[in-house]
Amino acid sequence: KQEVTQIPAALSVPEGENLVLNCSFTDSAIYNLQWFRQDPGKGLTSLLLIQSSQREQTSGRLNASLDKSSGRSTLYIAASQPGDSATYLCAVMGYYGQNFVFGPGTRLSVLP
Amino acid sequence: EPEVTQTPSHQVTQMGQEVILRCVPISNHLYFYWYRQILGQKVEFLVSFYNNEISEKSEIFDDQFSVERPDGSNFTLKIRSTKLEDSAMYFCASRDGPLTDTQYFGPGTRLTVL
Repeated sequence: KQEVTQIPAALSVPEGENLVLNCSFTDSAIYNLQWFRQDPGKGLTSLLLIQSSQREQTSGRLNASLDKSSGRSTLYIAASQPGDSATYLCAVMGYYGQNFVFGPGTRLSVLP
Repeated sequence: EPEVTQTPSHQVTQMGQEVILRCVPISNHLYFYWYRQILGQKVEFLVSFYNNEISEKSEIFDDQFSVERPDGSNFTLKIRSTKLEDSAMYFCASRDGPLTDTQYFGPGTRLTVL
């Protein structure tokens, strides 16, 4: 059964810092991995989708990498801003199901 | 940009009552999902739906739950005889095609069972 973990659980940084969020998964048989943002009491906003054949994806200040063999992904946020404050979730879709398995999230606070 | 919509945004019900949560997926999408998130916990998969039938369901999705696509646009989740532990945020999602495509999530319905 796929298990997804994320570290750290919470992170507080001053504005302007570059930061890395980590995601680990136990079963490397995945179709893809997706990073989401969730604001308090809100829905999930898709940030980046990495296919199993890809190593990384970039969108603006965000860069996500995937090392399928080691079961790891990282989300790099450059030049963080207070508006980046949210919970960041990673989710993997395995070969054996159509659904995402989510991690518990990293709660990010970017201080002005 | 097309988006998934859900109604209501917040539903309050008494224990034992039936509720129907509604979703309008993105119009050309073929695959539909329900997930839930109990406060402070992970997002959990409930059920996936394709070609007018359930394609996969989790152990959470027992006989208390059902899904339906009553017309060409709506996708509903019915919860019969609600329990206190059904209180959660329920998210609908849809996907266009292959498993390599993004799932697009709606804003969620917060269900509170009293």
